[in-house]
Amino acid sequence: QKEVEQDPGPLSVPEGAIVSLNCTYSNSAFQYFMWYRQYSRKGPELLMYTYSSGNKEDGRFTAQVDKSSKYISLFIRDSQPSDSATYLCAMRGGGSYIPTFGRGTSLIVHP
Amino acid sequence: DVKVTQSSRYLVKRTGEKVFLECVQDMDHENMFWYRQDPGLGLRLIYFSYDVKMKEKGDIPEGYSVSREKKERFSLILESASTNQTSMYLCASSLDGDSGANVLTFGAGSRLTVL
Repeated sequence: QKEVEQDPGPLSVPEGAIVSLNCTYSNSAFQYFMWYRQYSRKGPELLMYTYSSGNKEDGRFTAQVDKSSKYISLFIRDSQPSDSATYLCAMRGGGSYIPTFGRGTSLIVHP
Repeated sequence: DVKVTQSSRYLVKRTGEKVFLECVQDMDHENMFWYRQDPGLGLRLIYFSYDVKMKEKGDIPEGYSVSREKKERFSLILESASTNQTSMYLCASSLDGDSGANVLTFGAGSRLTVL
């Protein structure tokens, strides 16, 4: 079992939909949780990060961490075609400063 | 804004050639990383460096070496390129070490094709 599991998709939604992207993990020592967005032929860029459990909101994006279930989510409200990208979750903790990445979920928002 | 610059966006090389991939960051970050990214496999760490002249093997170091002579520059070297090294190579840097999220800033990537 990989330390971080993420469904590769693709996830295809109509414009305006609420999108839910998820990762599960097995290492209970993870404390920092990050979401990166990667457009085609570009490098990943940080979207949001949270520490420990709880929610964090930034505009149309909400990151949610449930440490008891070892489950993190990224919600996108009012999705736009420009949100079409691959979303990678990453997490860090337990004495290692190297983040562990999920494989990424491809999101397609069609007009 | 931190910038991580990868000098070559697209390269085509022949089997057996020596390949250099260069990466420069401009914000005095301590840590630098080289990943490769392949469909279905995600990001895989090749090497990382937490200081000048220091390097640590990642998950897939075989067939690669690195050099960090200056803080801002981290080079990935393929001593004898093989077709299975055809991939997207991503350089990244980060400021935080043991504390904080250790958020990575990535370059735009170098797409290497080995024929």
